[in-house]
Amino acid sequence: KAGVTQTPRYLIKTRGQQVTLSCSPISGHRSVSWYQQTPGQGLQFLFEYFSETQRNKGNFPGRFSGRQFSNSRSEMNVSTLELGDSALYLCASSRDASGEQYFGPGTRLTVT
Amino acid sequence: DQQVKQNSPSLSVQEGRISILNCDYTNSMFDYFLWYKKYPAEGPTFLISISSIKDKNEDGRFTVFLNKSAKHLSLHIVPSQPGDSAVYFCAASAGYSGAGSYQLTFGKGTKLSVIP
Repeated sequence: KAGVTQTPRYLIKTRGQQVTLSCSPISGHRSVSWYQQTPGQGLQFLFEYFSETQRNKGNFPGRFSGRQFSNSRSEMNVSTLELGDSALYLCASSRDASGEQYFGPGTRLTVT
Repeated sequence: DQQVKQNSPSLSVQEGRISILNCDYTNSMFDYFLWYKKYPAEGPTFLISISSIKDKNEDGRFTVFLNKSAKHLSLHIVPSQPGDSAVYFCAASAGYSGAGSYQLTFGKGTKLSVIP
């Protein structure tokens, strides 16, 4: 069974630009969660989608948004990038989010 | 306010011995706990989990113990192998029973080094 895939793996953007990251969950998994990992803050929850609906949202500004499609694939968007948005963005999928979540390899975003 | 704490940033253990990684939590709503292993430049890999209705769960060399009254859990790896060297994250959620949020709250991680 294929794991969670994320594209692109690496991205370099300039301050003020916007970026869209993509996540394809494990087949059969309907819940997709996004996390941000930075050296200072560790792994922090961004948001979780289930059946195209956002069920939970972490404590991040409105510049961070996401969506989920009918095939459970998910995208997250960051607008007006800031230097502090440089991080590893991780996507995780689970069958229904009540159990274990399986992570993708992440997208390394660098904002210059 | 850090709801999940891993107080040891690093741990060194001799190959073949037991590794014990500890985790404390403060939120009484947490009812599901997980351990993940992470190598640099990779996503976390799920290792083992435990729900709050249990106090122990085993999977091969990995055992997780949960002490709800102390709000403490630990991961035991026996015997430790050099390939176990990685950063281990403890995570918790309040959604197992369906009553709370499914989001995972992570500790800051413990870097385990297993010395051959």
